[in-house]
Amino acid sequence: EVVMTQSPATLSVSPGERATLSCRASQSVSIDLAWYQHKPGQAPRLLIYNAATRATGIPARFSGSGSGTEFTLTISSLQSEDFAVYYCQHYNNWPPGTFGQGTKVEIK
Amino acid sequence: QVQLVESGGDLVKPGGSLRLSCAASGFTFSDCYLTWIRQAPGKGLEWISYISSTGSTIYYADSVKGRFTISRDNAKNSLYLQMNSLRAEDTAVYYCAIRSKNAGIFDYWGQGTLVTVSS
Repeated sequence: EVVMTQSPATLSVSPGERATLSCRASQSVSIDLAWYQHKPGQAPRLLIYNAATRATGIPARFSGSGSGTEFTLTISSLQSEDFAVYYCQHYNNWPPGTFGQGTKVEIK
Repeated sequence: QVQLVESGGDLVKPGGSLRLSCAASGFTFSDCYLTWIRQAPGKGLEWISYISSTGSTIYYADSVKGRFTISRDNAKNSLYLQMNSLRAEDTAVYYCAIRSKNAGIFDYWGQGTLVTVSS
């Protein structure tokens, strides 16, 4: 099973600043990588798929990059509504696909 | 808009059973691939089951295989998860989600229902 490792576990950022989240796969997953945003008590939301393609309705301040084993989610200028937990997920040879443990983006 | 609403979560004793439901609206339910995903307290997300649009293809994670059964009723726009032989480690928030047609991506999710397995 491919293990997805996210870092850091918690990221403290001021509104308007840039946030960079990392996700590493234990073996290559090509570009079969998605990012989700999850706020407490709400449904998780698909942000990015195919490592770099924004899902429908996702603002341009969210961008994804990477391939193989190293991936990055960048939020260019954090808005108040962006404070949440972010998960990466690979879907190479799905199922099962696996999720990372998440990065919590909190207000500094 | 797309809505997925889970229900049926409860406190149940180890070895017990529970049936979760997911009511869908805002899209053509019978065209969609559906999944259940869970999140144990303080843990990450775990995909546990998938069913194709007609129900002809079903997958389970090893952690639930033989104990959980996924099903759907396209006439009622509903997805189900029958959970038997429940264990403490099944304690989690359970989400239903629509899986993308082309890949193991989860396009839309519900808000989840809490299952607690404890004596």
